[in-house]
Amino acid sequence: GENVEQHPSTLSVQEGDSAVIKCTYSDSASNYFPWYKQELGKGPQLIIDIRSNVGEKKDQRIAVTLNKTAKHFSLHITETQPEDSAVYFCADNAGGTSYGKLTFGQGTILTVHP
Amino acid sequence: EAGVTQSPTHLIKTRGQQATLRCSPISGHTSVYWYQQALGLGLQFLLWYDEGEERNRGNFPPRFSGRQFPNYSSELNVNALELEDSALYLCASSPGVGRADNEQFFGPGTRLTVL
Repeated sequence: GENVEQHPSTLSVQEGDSAVIKCTYSDSASNYFPWYKQELGKGPQLIIDIRSNVGEKKDQRIAVTLNKTAKHFSLHITETQPEDSAVYFCADNAGGTSYGKLTFGQGTILTVHP
Repeated sequence: EAGVTQSPTHLIKTRGQQATLRCSPISGHTSVYWYQQALGLGLQFLLWYDEGEERNRGNFPPRFSGRQFPNYSSELNVNALELEDSALYLCASSPGVGRADNEQFFGPGTRLTVL
């Protein structure tokens, strides 16, 4: 809810390297934090999410960490591959007047060079 | 299992006209969400429908409206189109009723161009 800041706006890595994207949120009521991957001409694809009662979640080469005290969460991609190249969006979901609404960061363009 | 589907893929209108965009959710999902993605910008929340009712609305003027049908499909209407309405309109669906932390799954979007 409210505001989500995402950094960096662009990220270029070599194949096999790791990539980290960070997001900061402002609404202390936020309780759900999804990450989406959007390829050119397609809709966003949910790749991983984390809820506020968990500090870390991993799915193969992708992991997400959450620091509720600092109000930030990060996406970690290990052993990057060219097919990981896309725009990545973080988002959060809070209660109250923001109920049901995802607030998105501005996106990170990830380029993985072979 | 079929994902979220949207129609049409592309839509070209002139300023002042009305546009109607359609969305079919994943089978079994009762919630439908609409987002606007303008060029170079992130996604902005427009509307959320659940069980036929509007549950929440983003900071958009009243000329953006919609509805959800008994089969949970949804329609987004944009009246009195303006040039800045040109964007990709994305529909998402989620399972369950009234859960704010439901996973949202997106369709491919409708590209609206206003001339």
